[in-house]
Amino acid sequence: DAGVTQSPTHLIKTRGQQVTLRCSPKSGHDTVSWYQQALGQGPQFIFQYYEEEERQRGNFPDRFSGHQFPNYSSELNVNALLLGDSALYLCASSGAGTGQETQYFGPGTRLLVL
Amino acid sequence: GQQLNQSPQSMFIQEGEDVSMNCTSSSIFNTWLWYKQDPGEGPVLLIALYKAGELTSNGRLTAQFGITRKDSFLNISASIPSDVGIYFCAGTGMDSSYKLIFGSGTRLLVRP
Repeated sequence: DAGVTQSPTHLIKTRGQQVTLRCSPKSGHDTVSWYQQALGQGPQFIFQYYEEEERQRGNFPDRFSGHQFPNYSSELNVNALLLGDSALYLCASSGAGTGQETQYFGPGTRLLVL
Repeated sequence: GQQLNQSPQSMFIQEGEDVSMNCTSSSIFNTWLWYKQDPGEGPVLLIALYKAGELTSNGRLTAQFGITRKDSFLNISASIPSDVGIYFCAGTGMDSSYKLIFGSGTRLLVRP
């Protein structure tokens, strides 16, 4: 049973560039949430996708956008990168079988903006 | 917005000792979850709690959902070196069952 997978594992970008991160949910899950984790802090909710729609959004600017595909995988896009966007980006999946609140995390993508 | 206060921030313990950490909020939470995160990795779910008063164990770990729905604790019995890591509490509040709100973490360091 494959868990949540994310790609790439690490990424280096420069200010102003755009980045796309990818996530495949755990088998049997249909909901994907994205979180940003700054160094030394707990993860912060960015948004959640369900049925290919953004269901809820946290306190993040419109530069952060996402997409969910029919196979439930998801992408996180960040435009006009700022130095402060450097963080670990985590994807979490959930589903009706285990409850929407019970979220399982992937290993994350470490983004460094120079 | 809703916040979780997690304590202690860090702790050193002797191998074999029991550990206790907790999480509190000023508002009601509907779900409490406890995660462990190792350096460079994503959080791993340890225990999920869904009802006030619920007490759940997972091996040497035990967690409880406070009866006021504003707190939760995690106990680790007979700690071992591989317990080292950062433990996060998380929960869903009254405003949303979709987003997890996280505490700031408890860093556990074990002296062998």
